Amino acid sequence: EAGVTQFPSHSVIEKGQTVTLRCDPISGHDNLYWYRRVMGKEIKFLLHFVKESKQDESGMPNNRFLAERTGGTYSTLKVQPAELEDSGVYFCASSQGSGGAYNEQFFGPGTRLTVL
Amino acid sequence: GNSVTQMEGPVTLSEEAFLTINCTYTATGYPSLFWYVQYPGEGLQLLLKATKADDKGSNKGFEATYRKETTSFHLEKGSVQVSDSAVYFCALSDRPGSARQLTFGSGTQLTVLP
Repeated sequence: EAGVTQFPSHSVIEKGQTVTLRCDPISGHDNLYWYRRVMGKEIKFLLHFVKESKQDESGMPNNRFLAERTGGTYSTLKVQPAELEDSGVYFCASSQGSGGAYNEQFFGPGTRLTVL
Repeated sequence: GNSVTQMEGPVTLSEEAFLTINCTYTATGYPSLFWYVQYPGEGLQLLLKATKADDKGSNKGFEATYRKETTSFHLEKGSVQVSDSAVYFCALSDRPGSARQLTFGSGTQLTVLP
């Protein structure tokens, strides 16, 4: 079974440009999360989808970030316009529906974004 | 709010040395605690977890005990191998059993030399 995949693995853009990151979760996982690690610091939560709905977007830094999850499958995270401080590694994770036991979040390899 | 404080890295050890990576947390209620590991070029993988006080999580020779009195979840391994070289993240979830976000520490880079 395929794991969580992310595209691209690396992206280098100039300040003011637009970048779109894509995440394909594990098939059948209702929950999809985006996280970000900036400058080797802690990994911070950005938002959480349940199927196609945004369950929690409290971690989104500002309105330059837009996340979508088409039909409850893959998700995209668009940064427009990009700023220098947006540089970092963006991780996507997915998990099965909520239940009694902890539902492990499975992570993708991340997209390294560099804004020059 | 919730937070995780993790031992600063990088940590460099010789093969077969003893490893400790400290982790303390601040959370409301009774969080679940986790250690994730990221090997080069890969995504984060769950290494071990503990869901209540005094639980010990273990996997691949690594152990961590949920200490509520000291709000800690230190990672230990008795004899590290070169293949353990990776970045280790301590994390918590404040509502186990539901699909909640994880709160992570800053990560500790471990390098094991042969």
